[in-house]
This record gives sequence, structure tokens and C-alpha cells, in this order.
Amino acid sequence: QKEVEQDPGPLSVPEGAIVSLNCTYSNSAFQYFMWYRQYSRKGPELLMYTYSSGNKEDGRFTAQVDKSSKYISLFIRDSQPSDSATYLCATDKAAGNKLTFGGGTRVLVKP
Amino acid sequence: ETGVTQSPTHLIKTRGQQVTLRCSSQSGHNTVSWYQQALGQGPQFIFQYYREEENGRGNFPPRFSGLQFPNYSSELNVNALELDDSALYLCASSLAGNLKGYNEQFFGPGTRLTVL
Repeated sequence: QKEVEQDPGPLSVPEGAIVSLNCTYSNSAFQYFMWYRQYSRKGPELLMYTYSSGNKEDGRFTAQVDKSSKYISLFIRDSQPSDSATYLCATDKAAGNKLTFGGGTRVLVKP
Repeated sequence: ETGVTQSPTHLIKTRGQQVTLRCSSQSGHNTVSWYQQALGQGPQFIFQYYREEENGRGNFPPRFSGLQFPNYSSELNVNALELDDSALYLCASSLAGNLKGYNEQFFGPGTRLTVL
């Protein structure tokens, strides 16, 4: 079993819809939780990070972490075709950037 | 400010050969991490270098080795290539040790390695 599990999708939504992404993890030592976006033929770029449990909002993006259930979520409001990409969740035991990634979810936002 | 760059972009090797991949860190960064991303999968942590010393390693065999140079650029070397080594190899840099808590890691575009 992988330490971080993520539904591979693809997830297809109409423009303007809310995109809901999630991951589960097994190691309770993870303290930092990130969401990355990866476009085709590009490296991942950080969207948001959260330390421990709680919610964090940045523009159209909201990240949630529930450490009691080992569940990570990302919500994208008012989705745009430019949001079409692979979204990767990642975890870290300390702020050391030795990340454990989920497998990624492909998202397609249709105009 | 220059971002993370990697070379070459693509590479084709045959089984048993050796390969060296190169990475230039973002300006001011002292830490480089390498990841392997197989097609359709998430990146897997290979190892990290901090101030020219290995600072952590993932579940990869010793034939995966690395170097970090005084200018914080880095190399990933893979010996005795296997078919399963075909993947996108990502380099990421960050600034460690500045007591700011979490420091964002910036990824390069990757090197696509194909082993035949």
C-alpha cells in the first residue's frame, strides 16, 4: 500500500464548476501537506501548503487537512479551462522538502 | 531571478549504460532534491543534497548517485540502466536553514529518460 493514495481520475467538469480533489495518507508522522499543479511537459508548481490540520484559502483555492482521518482535500472554485492539469498532493514529515507524493489526479475543465 | 533549469531535455539510452543528468538551482538556493516520475505516476523522492552533502535518501538502489557542487548545481548519475528507469527526472531547489519554517521547493521542467 502506498503511503499517499490519490484517485487518478480523469475528473471532467464544466467551466465554472467546483473541482473537489482529495488524498488519503497512512503515516501519522506527516506534518506538512501540499498541493501541486503539473501541466503537461512541465515540472510541478506549488499551489498551497498547510501545516498540521485546518483550512487554508488562497483566491479560488481552498485546502483542507484532517489529521484525525488522514484526509487531504483541495477545492477549486469557479474552475477555468486553464485549470486543466494534473494535481498532486504531497506530504512531508518536517519542513525538509523530502516529499511523498500521491499519484496525481488529471483534471479537465471543459469550456 | 533564474529558475531551476535541467539538461538535457530528453535522453535515450540502452540497458546497462550509464547516464548523468544536470540541474542548476534557482539563484540563492542551497538545497537540491531529485525525484523520479514514471509515466502516469506521482514523483518519487530519490535523494537530497544540502551544502554538497547527501541529506536524505528515498528507496532507490546505490546505482543512483548524486553530487552537489559549490555553486549548488547538481548531478544525478544512474549506473547499469534498467528498462524501469525510464521516467521523467525532476530536480527541485529550495533554501534551507533560514529559520522561516517551510521554504517552497521549486521544480525544474525535468529530463525525460528513455531506456531501450
